Amino acid sequence: AQTVTQSQPEMSVQEAETVTLSCTYDTSESDYYLFWYKQPPSRQMILVIRQEAYKQQNATENRFSVNFQKAAKSFSLKISDSQLGDAAMYFCAYRANSGNTPLVFGKGTRLSVIA
Amino acid sequence: DSGVTQTPKHLITATGQRVTLRCSPRSGDLSVYWYQQSLDQGLQFLIQYYNGEERAKGNILERFSAQQFPDLHSELNLSSLELGDSALYFCASSRGSLWETQYFGPGTRLLVL
Repeated sequence: AQTVTQSQPEMSVQEAETVTLSCTYDTSESDYYLFWYKQPPSRQMILVIRQEAYKQQNATENRFSVNFQKAAKSFSLKISDSQLGDAAMYFCAYRANSGNTPLVFGKGTRLSVIA
Repeated sequence: DSGVTQTPKHLITATGQRVTLRCSPRSGDLSVYWYQQSLDQGLQFLIQYYNGEERAKGNILERFSAQQFPDLHSELNLSSLELGDSALYFCASSRGSLWETQYFGPGTRLLVL
């Protein structure tokens, strides 16, 4: 079974600084998708970024970028120029691109941003 | 705003009762997914519907059931409620059936007393 591990339950970052959240996953599939979702105090789940495993280029969305290391099964999220609004729980998620396989989520990392 | 709507936002009920949670997907999305988020279990996939048909089943209890209607809205029915069913229930939607990017609704917070 696929598993997603986020080894950092909590992280903190100074405003305007850069922080990296870690995620590793376990799978025997070669074709899959990876996602980072953000859950602010409102509890809404917001898609931050998505990466297709067949793409070598790391995905970026404004201040958010990923470091996708397929061989190491690692998918970290880098947040640059951190803002107070970035404070939230961040969930890493995996989905195999085969049949009706579900999204598998990690346990989450709680990010605090210090003014 | 993801475009996915869920009602009600909050629900408080007693053990043994039955409740219905409602979800409307984004315009044009045919798939609806239900998830349960509890403190100890994290985010768990419950069930997926695509264009009215059940497509995938996860860790959904027999006391829970769901359906998707012709207008594509979905309902999750929870019966014989137990204290442990207290959780945040999310609905998500996507364009097709193959689990591409899912967009989540705001969730329904269920408290069973």
